[in-house]
Amino acid sequence: EAGVAQSPRYKIIEKRQSVAFWCNPISGHATLYWYQQILGQGPKLLIQFQNNGVVDDSQLPKDRFSAERLKGVDSTLKIQPAKLEDSAVYLCASSLRTGNPNEQFFGPGTRLTVL
Amino acid sequence: LAKTTQPISMDSYEGQEVNITCSHNNIATNDYITWYQQFPSQGPRFIIQGYKTKVTNEVASLFIPADRKSSTLSLPRVSLSDTAVYYCLVGVFYSGGYNKLIFGAGTRLAVHP
Repeated sequence: EAGVAQSPRYKIIEKRQSVAFWCNPISGHATLYWYQQILGQGPKLLIQFQNNGVVDDSQLPKDRFSAERLKGVDSTLKIQPAKLEDSAVYLCASSLRTGNPNEQFFGPGTRLTVL
Repeated sequence: LAKTTQPISMDSYEGQEVNITCSHNNIATNDYITWYQQFPSQGPRFIIQGYKTKVTNEVASLFIPADRKSSTLSLPRVSLSDTAVYYCLVGVFYSGGYNKLIFGAGTRLAVHP
């Protein structure tokens, strides 16, 4: 079974530039999550989709971050403009179900460095 | 929201059993307890999940006392490859039937030869 795919794996940009990350979840998984993981910390949920609808985006900095999941499959996360503090690993995860219990499958992440 | 507290780091040696305890005093009735493992440069990986008593799979065991205010992840006979960060999470169950995981800083387990 193919896992969660993410690209690119690494990205280096200057502050105030824009960047986009792509995620392809496991086939059949209706729920998709984007996390931000700063070095030395646990992942922090940015946004959660159920199919193509947003379930929770309470921790998404909406002035600069946006995410979409068209057709309920692939998803993109965009940062515009980037700040130094956005340097982190961006993880995408998917799960088959949303209620208790659920198991989330994570991709390898995209490591973003903002200079 | 149920917050979890676990040791920042632990050290062990190959072949030993490792027990990592997590406290979650404010766990709600619908919440499950879940443990994830994360290796450097990888996303977290699900290890085990339970609601009460004991759960065992091919990787680990999870012990949950009757009051559910704590839980213990047990890794039998660890090897060097078990060196990783282990996260204890309590799934927040909220209206609409959706589940949200809140990660803490985790426990950094170092296994030595």
